[in-house]
Formats: sequence, structure tokens, C-alpha cells
Amino acid sequence: AQSVTQLDSQVPVFEEAPVELRCNYSSSVSVYLFWYVQYPNQGLQLLLKYLSGSTLVKGINGFEAEFNKSQTSFHLRKPSVHISDTAEYFCAVRDSSASKIIFGSGTRLSIRP
Amino acid sequence: EAEVAQSPRYKITEKSQAVAFWCDPISGHATLYWYRQILGQGPELLVQFQDESVVDDSQLPKDRFSAERLKGVDSTLKIQPAELGDSAMYLCASSLTSGDAYNEQFFGPGTRLTVL
Repeated sequence: AQSVTQLDSQVPVFEEAPVELRCNYSSSVSVYLFWYVQYPNQGLQLLLKYLSGSTLVKGINGFEAEFNKSQTSFHLRKPSVHISDTAEYFCAVRDSSASKIIFGSGTRLSIRP
Repeated sequence: EAEVAQSPRYKITEKSQAVAFWCDPISGHATLYWYRQILGQGPELLVQFQDESVVDDSQLPKDRFSAERLKGVDSTLKIQPAELGDSAMYLCASSLTSGDAYNEQFFGPGTRLTVL
């Protein structure tokens, strides 16, 4: 069965510093990959998705992610974070032959002024 | 902008009581999902509907949980009786269809359940 591992449960960074949130998934022939953001007491919002094509995916709020098939990774990056980026970030994977999305356990991003 | 509506936003109940959550998906969305998100974890799919039919309820604890979408529009998730371990955020999501990855799942704000 498909699984997702987010290695860091919490990532503290200073404002305007770069950040990388790590995500690894179990291998599959063909997968779709997603990053979602969840602000306190709210639902999830899609940041970006990889379906096919270019391995570098750009999303909303200045975030981007790179699909690496050989390392089965889909790390999320932002060159300069803002206080408003404080939230929980979830990596998710879906087999292209199925409709079920499997979520990771989340990474809490905290921004220090 | 169309949104997924959920109510109530917060619910506190005592164990062994019955609780119910309501979800109204974005108009025209055929697929509706109920997720449970335990504190510190990612969402886990409980049940998926395609119109009024259940597509996947493999992770739904059927001895105490039930879900329905009678007219293929809004949906209700019920727990009876509630247990302490049911304390979690219950998220509803909808998408145009389920078979195409391009159909994004849109999430509602969730119902936070606390069982005392």
C-alpha cells in the first residue's frame, strides 16, 4: 500500500530565510503528488501538485516542489518565508490508477521574526 | 467563491452519546469525501461517495459510524455511541469527479469533535 513519510514534525525558521520541507513516498509505477497547507482551525488548501511533465512544480504563495523519482521524494521549498506562512503542511500521494489520496503526518512550520 | 460548508464547527459531547456532522459540497460536485484528522496526524479517508453511492468505506468503523448522502448532494456523518478516541477534526471535501487527478478536492473548515 502507498505511504508517505514527512521526516520533520516541526521546522522553525526565521522570517525571510529559505525553507525546505521533506517528503518521501513509497515507490509505485505511477503516482500523483500533492502539497496541502492547513492554517489553524481550517480545512486543507492545495498548494501545488505534480501529475506529469516537468519535475519542478510551482504553486501558490511562492512555494515550489521538485519530484525526484529515483529518490521517491517530493520536497517543498520556499526561498524566503513570511510570518503568514506559519501553518501545517501535508504531503500527499495518489496512485494514478486509484482515487484515494494518502496523507503524510504533517510538518508544522513556525516562523520567527 | 463556492466553498464546502460544514456544521457545526465545534462539538463537545460525552462518551456514549450520539453526534452528527453535516456537509454541503460545492454545487455540481459529484464526489464527496469524509476524513478524520487526529491531532498531530494527517487526514485519513473514512468514506467516499460518488453521487449517492458509497465508493469506499473500508476505513469507516461501521459498528459505530454511519454516513449517508441520500439525494447525492449534502451528507451526514453520524457516530453512535461516541468514544473518547473519536476526538478529532472531521473534514469534508468534494470534487467534480473522482477518477481524474485534475479534479482537485476542495476541503471544508471541518468539525472539531471533543468527547469527554
